[in-house]
Amino acid sequence: EDKVVQSPLSLVVHEGDTVTLNCSYEVTNFRSLLWYKQEKKAPTFLFMLTSSGIEKKSGRLSSILDKKELFSILNITATQTGDSAVYLCAVASNTGKLIFGQGTTLQVKP
Amino acid sequence: GAVVSQHPSRVICKSGTSVKIECRSLDFQATTMFWYRQFPKKSLMLMATSNEGSKATYEQGVEKDKFLINHASLTLSTLTVTSAHPEDSSFYICSSHLYQETQYFGPGTRLLVL
Repeated sequence: EDKVVQSPLSLVVHEGDTVTLNCSYEVTNFRSLLWYKQEKKAPTFLFMLTSSGIEKKSGRLSSILDKKELFSILNITATQTGDSAVYLCAVASNTGKLIFGQGTTLQVKP
Repeated sequence: GAVVSQHPSRVICKSGTSVKIECRSLDFQATTMFWYRQFPKKSLMLMATSNEGSKATYEQGVEKDKFLINHASLTLSTLTVTSAHPEDSSFYICSSHLYQETQYFGPGTRLLVL
């Protein structure tokens, strides 16, 4: 059965800290791995990763994929209170369907 | 990025009634749309894949007769929750592709069944 597992499930840090969120997967017919940020509404797209070892970066956020070990990490440096959200990892299969992990709830305290 | 809209954003209904949720792709044509539901503090669960001009593909455990999906045009898919019950109360989100696997989500519809 296809599955995506995220860790930790929740995390509390202080502003300025760096955090690393983990996502491991077992999905047949893997196409890509995606990271989303969800606040009170629907998820917003962060990154799509298809190749191993190539870091994607957007401001203080970065992500990398390891297709051999079947995992990805999402890094956030110099965290701010506005980074508080649920971060979702999802894997797309050949059919285009997304399989989501449970999410990591990040709380950044001032 | 691509824009997907949903309507309504929030709905409260009585048990036994039907509720229709619309999902529109505003600036692109979507042959495929996906419907998810999300319970509080839980992740998104795929309910069905909506295909323009053909029947939707439902995930295991999702009742086809309860969650009716219609994808009559390239920009509109609808999800109708029939004979709604309190346990159907949830956050329903649609999404679609713009490029290959990059799915863009609508803002979601919060359904409360009394």
